[in-house]
Amino acid sequence: DIQMTQSPSTLSASVGDRVTITCRASQSISSWLAWYQQKPGKAPKLLIYKASSLESGVPSRFSGSGSGTEFTLTISSLQPDDFATYYCQKYNTYPYTFGQGTKLEIK
Amino acid sequence: EVQLLESGGGLVQPGGSLRLSCAASGFTFSNYAMTWVRQAPGKGLECVSAISGSGENTNYATSVRGRFTISRDNSKNTLYLQMNGLSPEDSAVYYCARCSGTLSGYYFASWGQGTLVTASS
Repeated sequence: DIQMTQSPSTLSASVGDRVTITCRASQSISSWLAWYQQKPGKAPKLLIYKASSLESGVPSRFSGSGSGTEFTLTISSLQPDDFATYYCQKYNTYPYTFGQGTKLEIK
Repeated sequence: EVQLLESGGGLVQPGGSLRLSCAASGFTFSNYAMTWVRQAPGKGLECVSAISGSGENTNYATSVRGRFTISRDNSKNTLYLQMNGLSPEDSAVYYCARCSGTLSGYYFASWGQGTLVTASS
């Protein structure tokens, strides 16, 4: 099975910062990658699909890029509501594996 | 508005069984594949099973294959997960989610609120 590895596991940043989270696949998954945001006690929320397509209603400060084995999620200017845990997920074939998560904390 | 409402979670002894349900509304249920994703306390996300819109095609994670069965009743707009032989490692919040994407693979645009399953003596 293809493994998904996110880095860093924890990221400390301030409101207004630009932050980037990386997700690496152990084999090529083309652009079949999604990003989710999860807050404590809540279900995940889809942010990005097909590596770079922004889900309807998601603020434009979120963007995704990459293909093959390396992908990034970028938040251009952090807002207080963005402090959460972020997961990537590959979906080229089953199993639809998630990365281990990146917790974005307030510095 | 898409709504997914899980039920059926609870406390069960190791080796026991539970059946989770997910009632769907706000969309044509039979047109969409569906999935169950679980999250153990303080841990990440695992897609344990998925089912096609017709119910003909199913997939299972290695960790649950042979113990869990996913099914759906399109006349009742309801998704199910029958869980047998539960172990403490199956303890988690179980989310149902509506699949989006292509026949090759799915991402999950709509999620329920989750139901907690605890396998413990």
